[in-house]
Amino acid sequence: AQSVSQHNHHVILSEAASLELGCNYSYGGTVNLFWYVQYPGQHLQLLLKYFSGDPLVKGIKGFEAEFIKSKFSFNLRKPSVQWSDTAEYFCAVIDNYGQNFVFGPGTRLSVLP
Amino acid sequence: EAGVAQSPRYKIIEKRQSVAFWCNPISGHATLYWYQQILGQGPKLLIQFQNNGVVDDSQLPKDRFSAERLKGVDSTLKIQPAKLEDSAVYLCASSGGTDNTGELFFGEGSRLTVL
Repeated sequence: AQSVSQHNHHVILSEAASLELGCNYSYGGTVNLFWYVQYPGQHLQLLLKYFSGDPLVKGIKGFEAEFIKSKFSFNLRKPSVQWSDTAEYFCAVIDNYGQNFVFGPGTRLSVLP
Repeated sequence: EAGVAQSPRYKIIEKRQSVAFWCNPISGHATLYWYQQILGQGPKLLIQFQNNGVVDDSQLPKDRFSAERLKGVDSTLKIQPAKLEDSAVYLCASSGGTDNTGELFFGEGSRLTVL
């Protein structure tokens, strides 16, 4: 069964700092990869997704992620964070058969104004 | 397009009582998931349905949890009897449709507190 790990439990940044959240997965086959965000008191929302093609994918609100197959990684980046980016970020993977949608443990991001 | 609907949003019960949660997925979505999200953790899959059949329920504590998806649309998740450690948010998600990309669409969740 696949699993997802996220490097940091809690990240604290000042506004305008750059962000990179690590995500690694374990699965030998083809996968689809996702980053979801959960703002305080809200439901999970999709930030971006990767299925195939260009390994650098762009999502909403200036986020992007790069799929590096050789490293089984799908790190999330944003060049300049804002206070409104304070949220919980979850990396997730699903196998190519549409089964086993697995989430990582999440990284809490706190952006200080 | 209407999103995934869940009810109730909040429920407080005492241990050993029972509770049921309801989910209505996005119209046309064949796959429905129930996740348990304990505070500070990532969502954990409880059960996955494809239409009205179970695809994966390996992590469902079957001695107390049950779920059904009659007619392949709405679903209910039941806990009986509840334990303190069942306090969590229960998330319903759906996927599928004509442009299926595997993306999961989540409801607002049902927050359960067991006293």
